[in-house]
Amino acid sequence: ETGVTQSPTHLIKTRGQQVTLRCSSQSGHNTVSWYQQALGQGPQFIFQYYREEENGRGNFPPRFSGLQFPNYSSELNVNALELDDSALYLCASSRASGRGSYEQYFGPGTRLTVT
Amino acid sequence: AQTVTQSQPEMSVQEAETVTLSCTYDTSESDYYLFWYKQPPSRQMILVIRQEAYKQQNATENRFSVNFQKAAKSFSLKISDSQLGDAAMYFCAYGIPNYGGSQGNLIFGKGTKLSVKP
Repeated sequence: ETGVTQSPTHLIKTRGQQVTLRCSSQSGHNTVSWYQQALGQGPQFIFQYYREEENGRGNFPPRFSGLQFPNYSSELNVNALELDDSALYLCASSRASGRGSYEQYFGPGTRLTVT
Repeated sequence: AQTVTQSQPEMSVQEAETVTLSCTYDTSESDYYLFWYKQPPSRQMILVIRQEAYKQQNATENRFSVNFQKAAKSFSLKISDSQLGDAAMYFCAYGIPNYGGSQGNLIFGKGTKLSVKP
């Protein structure tokens, strides 16, 4: 069984640029959630994708957007990067069931640095 | 709004000893899940243990067990026979079931950094 993978591992961007982060969900999982983890903090929910549609969003501006593909992989796009966007971005996949089991499995993350 | 509070930024334990990490949460829901995740320095978040709020029995996974006090909204993690590999950030998290088939988000605490002394 293949786990959650993310690419790239590290990324350095300049303020104002755009970035795309990628996530491949675990085999058999159909839901992908994205989290932002600032240094020394717990992860903060950005949004979730289920059946290729956004299914819930946290307190993040519209310049944070995403996609989910038919194979359940996902992208996180951030436009007009700001210094405060520097963080570890975590992707988590899970398998929706009738009662919504909440066992989310996390990828290793992408460390984004904005200069 | 739901919140999760971990009041111990750092904890330390001697190898082979037992340590308890604290977590409190605030919610008006009666049905929810609680989790403990471990994040080693390599940063991949690993699920340690989960508890369903409607189950009164405390969850146990090998050396890891929880003390779930629903009325007090408390969810502590006990690690027995601590090992060097247990050193990591530990996050308490809360989630609500979504009966529509999709799932909502997890709300995390700020974490507790656990050090294990040889």
